[in-house]
Amino acid sequence: AQSVTQLDSQVPVFEEAPVELRCNYSSSVSVYLFWYVQYPNQGLQLLLKYLSGSTLVKGINGFEAEFNKSQTSFHLRKPSVHISDTAEYFCAVSETNAGKSTFGDGTTLTVKP
Amino acid sequence: DAGVIQSPRHEVTEMGQEVTLRCKPISGHDYLFWYRQTMMRGLELLIYFNNNVPIDDSGMPEDRFSAKMPNASFSTLKIQPSEPRDSAVYFCASSRTGTQYFGPGTRLTVL
Repeated sequence: AQSVTQLDSQVPVFEEAPVELRCNYSSSVSVYLFWYVQYPNQGLQLLLKYLSGSTLVKGINGFEAEFNKSQTSFHLRKPSVHISDTAEYFCAVSETNAGKSTFGDGTTLTVKP
Repeated sequence: DAGVIQSPRHEVTEMGQEVTLRCKPISGHDYLFWYRQTMMRGLELLIYFNNNVPIDDSGMPEDRFSAKMPNASFSTLKIQPSEPRDSAVYFCASSRTGTQYFGPGTRLTVL
């Protein structure tokens, strides 16, 4: 069975500062990894995904994530955040490139002026 | 494409009433998922379909909940009878590959 742990439930940060949102996963097979973002009163939308190949994945809005197989991690980073990045971020893992994903509990990123 | 469409966007009902939530997935997607989101329990997968067939309904909280997908372009989630603890935002999502596309959600309030 697969599982996802988002290590921080809330991350406050000042505008233009760098941020890292941490995600660890557990699976007995190869995995596909995703980060989704949920803005207030909206559904989740894909930020980026790792399927195979380069372990550094770039996504929308300047976010990137690095897949680390030895540490079973997929941390999300942004070098300089904006107020508009305030949202909830979900890490998800799937054992196939189809079907269901297992989602983490989410990390609330709050960017302060 | 218009994305995943859910209706209604808001529903307020009284305890004991039947509630039906509707979802139109993105055309060509063969997976459909129903989720529930609350502050207390976070995002929960209720049930998902593949090619209109329910694959896993282990997340459905109890027999009061039922879901159907009569064709590739329509699904419903029904709660009968509704209870105040069912108050939540219900999301529908569809996919063809691993990426899921979420609808805007239905905010359900049961008084």
